[in-house]
Order: sequence, then structure tokens, then C-alpha cells
Amino acid sequence: KAGVTQTPRYLIKTRGQQVTLSCSPISGHRSVSWYQQTPGQGLQFLFEYFSETQRNKGNFPGRFSGRQFSNSRSEMNVSTLELGDSALYLCASSKTSGDTNTGELFFGEGSRLTVL
Amino acid sequence: AQSVAQPEDQVNVAEGNPLTVKCTYSVSGNPYLFWYVQYPNRGLQFLLKYITGDNLVKGSYGFEAEFNKSQTSFHLKKPSALVSDSALYFCAVRDERTGNNRKLIWGLGTSLAVNP
Repeated sequence: KAGVTQTPRYLIKTRGQQVTLSCSPISGHRSVSWYQQTPGQGLQFLFEYFSETQRNKGNFPGRFSGRQFSNSRSEMNVSTLELGDSALYLCASSKTSGDTNTGELFFGEGSRLTVL
Repeated sequence: AQSVAQPEDQVNVAEGNPLTVKCTYSVSGNPYLFWYVQYPNRGLQFLLKYITGDNLVKGSYGFEAEFNKSQTSFHLKKPSALVSDSALYFCAVRDERTGNNRKLIWGLGTSLAVNP
């Protein structure tokens, strides 16, 4: 069974540009969550999508957005990049969401974004 | 307030010795608690969880965790550490607040170094 796949694995952008990251969840998983990981802040929750609907959102500015497609694949977009957006962006999938969420998430290997 | 704390940024232990990585939590109601591990340049992997039942939970790679309700702790343990256990360990608790869709609240992580 294929795991969670994130693309691209590494990318370098300059300030002001925008970036789109992709996540393909495990087959049958309908929930996709996105996290930003930095050495100083740890794991910061960005948002969660379930059945193409955003179920939860973290405390990030509107420059960070996401969506989910009917096949459960998800993308996140960051516009007007800032130096502080440099981070590892992790995607996690699970079968369910909300009250039935047992908390066991399956993570991809991440997309490492460097903003110059 | 719902929160989780990992009081140690780094833990060092000699190979073959027992290891403990600490986690304390604060939640309303009964906690759902989790441990994840992150190896270098990889995504997070689920280790174990506590939802209900026995206070001692056994997980992957020989790890176990002890739920202590009176001390609001969920420390991760292993009887005999391996060099390959060197990684970043995250504790998480499910957010039970209404409207937060049961997302996970994460600790900042503890870096475990097992010395040969």
C-alpha cells in the first residue's frame, strides 16, 4: 500500500513568489492535514480537509491556503513568500475526521521550502 | 486550556540503558494521547496511543508509554535504548474543544540522542 506522497520534496523560491505543494494521501483516506515544521516553533497546524471541505484552520495568515480534490489529493499554496516561510511542510492523512478521529496520522516525508 | 508540554529539548542516553522522554498534558475531559517519532529528513511516524484501558501502552519498536492521570503525564519509555532510536519525538493530545474538530495539539518535540 503506497504511503503519503508529497511533491516536490525540495524547492527554492525568492521572496514575493508563490508556491504550490501537493499531497496524495493513502488510498481510502479522506482527511488531509497540513503542518509547518520549523526548528523553533515545532509543528504548527495549518489546516485540515475532509471530503473537499476545510474542517479546521490554524493561525496562519491568508497567504496560506489549501484545497482538496474529489480524489482526496490536496494542495496548499503560499502566496507572496516571506523569508520566514522557509520550513518543512508536512502533509498527513487519515481515514476519518472529527469525533471519529482516532489521532493516528500517516505523514509524508515533507516538502522542504527555502525562501531566499 | 488544552496543551501538551515536553519539558526536555534533548535527552542523552547510552546505548543499552533505559530511556524516558517526558510529556505532560492539560485537557478537558478524558485525554487521547499519542507519541510520534521523526527520523532525520523524514516525516513523522506513529508510535503508540492511549485512549482508554491499561495505563501502560505498548507500541512500535519496543517503545511503551505510561499514562498517569494524577500527574497528567504520558512519558515514553524503552527498557534498552538503541543507537537507531536517535530521533525527534513528539507527544500530542487530541483537542476536545468544540469546533476544533478533534485536531491534535503537539508538543515541541524532544531530541533523543543514544550514544554508542
